[in-house]
Amino acid sequence: EDQVTQSPEALRLQEGESSSLNCSYTVSGLRGLFWYRQDPGKGPEFLFTLYSAGEEKEKERLKATLTKKESFLHITAPKPEDSATYLCAVPPYSGAGSYQLTFGKGTKLSVIP
Amino acid sequence: EADIYQTPRYLVIGTGKKITLECSQTMGHDKMYWYQQDPGMELHLIHYSYGVNSTEKGDLSSESTVSRIRTEHFPLTLESARPSHTSQYLCASSESYNEQFFGPGTRLTVL
Repeated sequence: EDQVTQSPEALRLQEGESSSLNCSYTVSGLRGLFWYRQDPGKGPEFLFTLYSAGEEKEKERLKATLTKKESFLHITAPKPEDSATYLCAVPPYSGAGSYQLTFGKGTKLSVIP
Repeated sequence: EADIYQTPRYLVIGTGKKITLECSQTMGHDKMYWYQQDPGMELHLIHYSYGVNSTEKGDLSSESTVSRIRTEHFPLTLESARPSHTSQYLCASSESYNEQFFGPGTRLTVL
């Protein structure tokens, strides 16, 4: 059974204080790893897809990286508007017709001015 | 612009009413999903569809039903709403094993 674990559960940063969020995964085979941002009361917003170890993707202050066991979401010089819950998810490998994602529980990021 | 839409965004109704939450996507995706999420809690898959006339129940048991008569449309129906159905309902779509794209959600409150 695929498993996704995110840490920490919550993170408070001062504006400008860089940090990283972790997503560790256990899957029978990796078809990709997805990062999402979710604001309160809204649907998750897709950020990145990573497919293979060593791959990196960047968007503004966010950079996602992938190893064979985990992914990191690095936040450089965060601003208050980066405050949100960040989710990672993996699709199933041996589908048997299944396309259901396994989500982590998320990291709630708060950036204090 | 390709997107996924949900209506209504907010709904407050009384117990026993029948409701339908609408979800439509213009991305041409064959796979669609319904999730339920309480504030600050995890996403729970309640229904999914891999194509027209294909629907399955998700991991979380739900009294709701869904239909998929057209590729772009995946409505969710509650025949008799109860306070325990109060939650946020999120619709998503995807192409094969690719990333899922989510709608803005419907916030349902049953009094």
